[in-house]
Amino acid sequence: AQSVTQLDSHVSVSEGTPVLLRCNYSSSYSPSLFWYVQHPNKGLQLLLKYTSAATLVKGINGFEAEFKKSETSFHLTKPSAHMSDAAEYFCVVSDMDSNYQLIWGAGTKLIIKP
Amino acid sequence: GAGVSQSPSNKVTEKGKDVELRCDPISGHTALYWYRQRLGQGLEFLIYFQGNSAPDKSGLPSDRFSAERTGESVSTLTIQRTQQEDSAVYLCASSLVTSGRASYNEQFFGPGTRLTVL
Repeated sequence: AQSVTQLDSHVSVSEGTPVLLRCNYSSSYSPSLFWYVQHPNKGLQLLLKYTSAATLVKGINGFEAEFKKSETSFHLTKPSAHMSDAAEYFCVVSDMDSNYQLIWGAGTKLIIKP
Repeated sequence: GAGVSQSPSNKVTEKGKDVELRCDPISGHTALYWYRQRLGQGLEFLIYFQGNSAPDKSGLPSDRFSAERTGESVSTLTIQRTQQEDSAVYLCASSLVTSGRASYNEQFFGPGTRLTVL
């Protein structure tokens, strides 16, 4: 069965320093993987997605994620944090055969210190 | 163009009352999803509509929950005899579904309806 584990409920970084949000998944098949961002009082927005193409995926706002099958990980990174990055981030997995159902992680709240 | 809209944005109700939540998807999107998000948690899939196919109701937590969709437009999620554990944000999303693999198609989310059951 599919599952997603976001290893940190909260991550706090200083503005201008790198961001790392960790995500591990389990899947019986080759998964599709997504990162969504939810800013306060705003809707969810897709950051990036991996669908069996390049293992390093670039998304919006300077974020990227690397699919590592051997480690069953899909960690989200950004070289330099900006205050506007403060939000909740969700890692999502979907099996090739699950079609439409997205399985969501519990979320990681990213806090940016000035 | 307009995104996914939901109404009401907030709903406070008393235990035992029925509530109806509305979702207007992006025009032309054939797929529509309902999710529930409890405080501090990820999204929980409730139901999925795709064109004229029978909806997938496998995520509905009890028979108090039901949803309808008129063609490829508006959807309503109804919760009967609300309970305090129904308190959550209810999110609606739509996607184009231009391929057979709907999971590849980006889901666009509405702002949600925050339901509070007293």
